[in-house]
Amino acid sequence: DAGVIQSPRHEVTEMGQEVTLRCKPISGHNSLFWYRQTMMRGLELLIYFNNNVPIDDSGMPEDRFSAKMPNASFSTLKIQPSEPRDSAVYFCASSLGVGQGATGNTIYFGEGSWLTVV
Amino acid sequence: QKEVEQDPGPLSVPEGAIVSLNCTYSNSAFQYFMWYRQYSRKGPELLMYTYSSGNKEDGRFTAQVDKSSKYISLFIRDSQPSDSATYLCAMSAGSNDYKLSFGAGTTVTVRA
Repeated sequence: DAGVIQSPRHEVTEMGQEVTLRCKPISGHNSLFWYRQTMMRGLELLIYFNNNVPIDDSGMPEDRFSAKMPNASFSTLKIQPSEPRDSAVYFCASSLGVGQGATGNTIYFGEGSWLTVV
Repeated sequence: QKEVEQDPGPLSVPEGAIVSLNCTYSNSAFQYFMWYRQYSRKGPELLMYTYSSGNKEDGRFTAQVDKSSKYISLFIRDSQPSDSATYLCAMSAGSNDYKLSFGAGTTVTVRA
């Protein structure tokens, strides 16, 4: 399997621009996560989808952030307008089950999208 | 105070040494404990998973959980340069908890 595929791998954009990050989860997985990783805050869950439905978006920092999952094989995370403090690595992850609480539900992370907002 | 505390290091050891990593936590409801390994510019990958207290061994890796002390450890025996990475602990209360509580991660360098 190709694993979780994210694009773009790197993005440098100017403040105020719209940023769209894309994710293709592992085929057959019904849980999808978007995480953000920074030095200051570590790894934070932004939003969780189950069967394409957003279940928990309490980690989305502001209304500038939005995420969609139109089908089982594609998800986007959009930031509009972007700000310098949004600079971080954004990871998409997927799993077969609901959570990592059981061995069979291993969460697989993509390689991340490295976002720099200048 | 963070729910999960992990010393970010960095930790530098010679090849062949034992690497000892640990995390403390405050939520006594946590029952599922994980260690993730993250290579530079890559995503985290699950390394070890344990349920409740006790030890689990997988090759050169041993995970220990002491729920009474709210303390978990990861030991890497006979460390190799390929073990150089950031190690993150993570934990959850329920088997269906989708939200994991992560530590900050400890960066380890194994010198050849």
